[in-house]
Amino acid sequence: QVQLVESGGGLVKPGGSLRLSCAASGFTFGEHYMSWIRQAPGKGLEWISYITSSGSITYYADSVKGRFTISRDNAEKVLYLQINDLRVEDTAVYYCARDAVRSGYNWFDPWGQGTLVTVSS
Amino acid sequence: SYDVTQPLSVSVALGQTARITCEGDNIRSKSVHWYQQKAGQAPVVVIYRDSNRPSGIPERFSGSNSENTASLTISGAQVGDEGDYYCQVWDSNAWVFGGGTKLTVL
Repeated sequence: QVQLVESGGGLVKPGGSLRLSCAASGFTFGEHYMSWIRQAPGKGLEWISYITSSGSITYYADSVKGRFTISRDNAEKVLYLQINDLRVEDTAVYYCARDAVRSGYNWFDPWGQGTLVTVSS
Repeated sequence: SYDVTQPLSVSVALGQTARITCEGDNIRSKSVHWYQQKAGQAPVVVIYRDSNRPSGIPERFSGSNSENTASLTISGAQVGDEGDYYCQVWDSNAWVFGGGTKLTVL
């Protein structure tokens, strides 16, 4: 079945860096756009970044532009999110999600179970 | 940037109809998707492209989109429908989520 599994979260000090991974299985990874979304504790969903199937085009929310980098390895079926200069306000569960339709710019289905990033000194 | 606004909370009596709105400027021109998130779980799509229901989603879930308001309607709400609901649109090279609506079934 289609599955997304995030990893790489943890406790990090402000100013630190992390690389999150999202391992995909059960579908042709290289044919789907992918996204990262985060959810701070007790808050709503915040879209962070989006990448086309080839990886040639990327989009970022203004709140993370310049600090976050999305990338993908289609051969290994893995989506990445490099997070630099971490701030306390980056504390959140980070989800990866697949674009439901191969053409892109569609709804997200499915989502992974999320990985928690905690930024604290 | 484009903003969409949802009510913070909606309450509905068991078996009655709940309506959750998503307001945005000329939202009728966009495709609106709706997600349900239960406590401790990842979001799940319940309506896509305004009014389409994925397989496995009960028929009591329906959606509409008109002028400045998109709506998610749950007819005959069940206790299992409780959770947070989010609308989503694509605008100006960015995905936008509404702030979320907490649905309580009384």
